[in-house]
Formats: sequence, structure tokens, C-alpha cells
Amino acid sequence: QRVTQPEKLLSVFKGAPVELKCNYSYSGSPELFWYVQYSRQRLQLLLRHISRESIKGFTADLNKGETSFHLKKPFAQEEDSAMYYCALNAGGTSYGKLTFGQGTILTVHP
Amino acid sequence: NAGVTQTPKFQVLKTGQSMTLQCAQDMNHEYMSWYRQDPGMGLRLIHYSVGAGITDQGEVPNGYNVSRSTTEDFPLRLLSAAPSQTSVYFCASSHPGQGVNSPLHFGNGTRLTVT
Repeated sequence: QRVTQPEKLLSVFKGAPVELKCNYSYSGSPELFWYVQYSRQRLQLLLRHISRESIKGFTADLNKGETSFHLKKPFAQEEDSAMYYCALNAGGTSYGKLTFGQGTILTVHP
Repeated sequence: NAGVTQTPKFQVLKTGQSMTLQCAQDMNHEYMSWYRQDPGMGLRLIHYSVGAGITDQGEVPNGYNVSRSTTEDFPLRLLSAAPSQTSVYFCASSHPGQGVNSPLHFGNGTRLTVT
């Protein structure tokens, strides 16, 4: 399995929409996550596709046809600036093993 | 409740030296894992453990050893450090979910430089 985040850096202005791209390759039914690392904080779970929830205004929809799990927010805030990782569990019990993408550093300018 | 604690926060080694990165969790999580974070590579799994006494290799295990003698502790050993092991190391823990995988809880990381 593989996870690709094509953008290493992404810059937007406050109030602008933001989309962090994530594509995966896996033939089965994956479990997808977005993890975030704010400055001087631990890496933490932002959201997961199973929950279908919106966290801090972010949403992500699993598109099995396009094998994508893009993270979106309609109006970016400065506090969204962070490193974002897309991660995949190849089905079933993860045992703490995830496949991570390369990460995207999001910077939201005032 | 400290969560996942990693020590040290920073370490500089010379090539060939050995050291142990410590990881402890106080959440009674069964699963623990070690990842390394490198620019442009994301996080890559080094070793993981599904319980005391049980460990297995991840994607990049060469040069690293682990053991899991207790539920709480999962140390990572570098037997002979190499410059290629310069990285930020993260320990994570999680527990078996009930039908749904629980999220990983990460430590603060150890920044290791090998000269």
C-alpha cells in the first residue's frame, strides 16, 4: 500500500478555501486518516473517514473511484498552519501500523 | 496522565556509538510502534509490538532493535549508529478498538543526529 501527498508546501491566505490532497494505492478497503502536527505539539489525529465528521471545520471524503482522501476547509484560519499527514490502514486491525504520506506543510497567511 | 513519554528529546551521537531511545506509556495500550520522520519521506514504521513479549519489523527495521518486556515500555536500540539514522523518532501507542481501530497516540519525538 502507498500514500501520496503531492504537495510538500501549501500556502493560502486567511479566509481562503484550502484543500490538501491525498491519494492512496491499495486494492482492498482501506481505512484513511488525517493526522496533524501543530508547532511544538504532538502529532495527533485530526479525523478519520469512518467517522464522517467535521473537525475544526475540516472534512475529508473517501473517494474509492479516484483512490483519494482529500482534506478540505472552506475558510482557512491562521491556527490551521501545521504539518498534515494522510495515513492508511490496510484493512482490519491496524496493530498500530499505519502507512503515512510524505506530509504537507500548510501555512495560512494573515 | 502523561500519555506517551519519550526520552531524550535531543541526542547527538558519533558514528558507531550505541544508544537506546526510551518510550513509555501510561494508558495500558497493547500496541506500540516506532516511526522515523524524514523530510520528504513522511513517517516510516521501524518496529511495532502488539503486546508484551511480541515484536515485529516494520518498513525500515535495519540497524534497530526493540524489545517489549512490559506493557508500558518499548525501547528502541541503535547498536551502531550511522549518519543515515539521523532523523526524528516518534513512539506511538494505541489499543485494540471495538470494531474500529483506535487512533495512535504519539510521543513528543526524539531528534537524533549522527555525525
